[in-house]
Amino acid sequence: DVKVTQSSRYLVKRTGEKVFLECVQDMDHENMFWYRQDPGLGLRLIYFSYDVKMKEKGDIPEGYSVSREKKERFSLILESASTNQTSMYLCASSSGQMNTEAFFGQGTRLTVV
Amino acid sequence: GEDVEQSLFLSVREGDSSVINCTYTDSSSTYLYWYKQEPGAGLQLLTYIFSNMDMKQDQRLTVLLNKKDKHLSLRIADTQTGDSAIYFCAVLPSGGYNKLIFGAGTRLAVHP
Repeated sequence: DVKVTQSSRYLVKRTGEKVFLECVQDMDHENMFWYRQDPGLGLRLIYFSYDVKMKEKGDIPEGYSVSREKKERFSLILESASTNQTSMYLCASSSGQMNTEAFFGQGTRLTVV
Repeated sequence: GEDVEQSLFLSVREGDSSVINCTYTDSSSTYLYWYKQEPGAGLQLLTYIFSNMDMKQDQRLTVLLNKKDKHLSLRIADTQTGDSAIYFCAVLPSGGYNKLIFGAGTRLAVHP
């Protein structure tokens, strides 16, 4: 059974903290993505990676960075968490071929207080 | 850039058909998708359609694509309470990396 696993379902962090969200996939996929999901806004792409150590900015990268040191792992980093980063974060992966299904993790609901 | 729009809510009676609509702006979009998100879960691919197709049917699901109007719809026949979820329309613009653009999601509520 294919899997994208996010390390935490729920996180509560304080303003100014450095926050790491981890995502691991077991499908040997080239592409990995981080989205945030907010009511009425749908999914917005933060960053994506198409290979190890490669990353590209998505639509809303401000306040975030990412790391992909190994093919199976893609980390999202909030350098200094702020309350407007309270959201649901979804990780996804897909193979490098065109039109392949993107598989999603279960999401991490982050609350910044 | 690409914009994908959906209505936010739809309420239907159990056993009726549901139709969820989506419009997009990029006429070069190659593939168009419908994802389902159940409460507390990630997104799951329901179905997709290639841009040179008009219709695709998969059991209770029918996808219609009007490329001229840039309009995509998902019809669910005989809607059941288990179909209650958020449905996301997503499009794949030309350009690679399977970088999908999502709509805001339509929350489908099925009532008895």
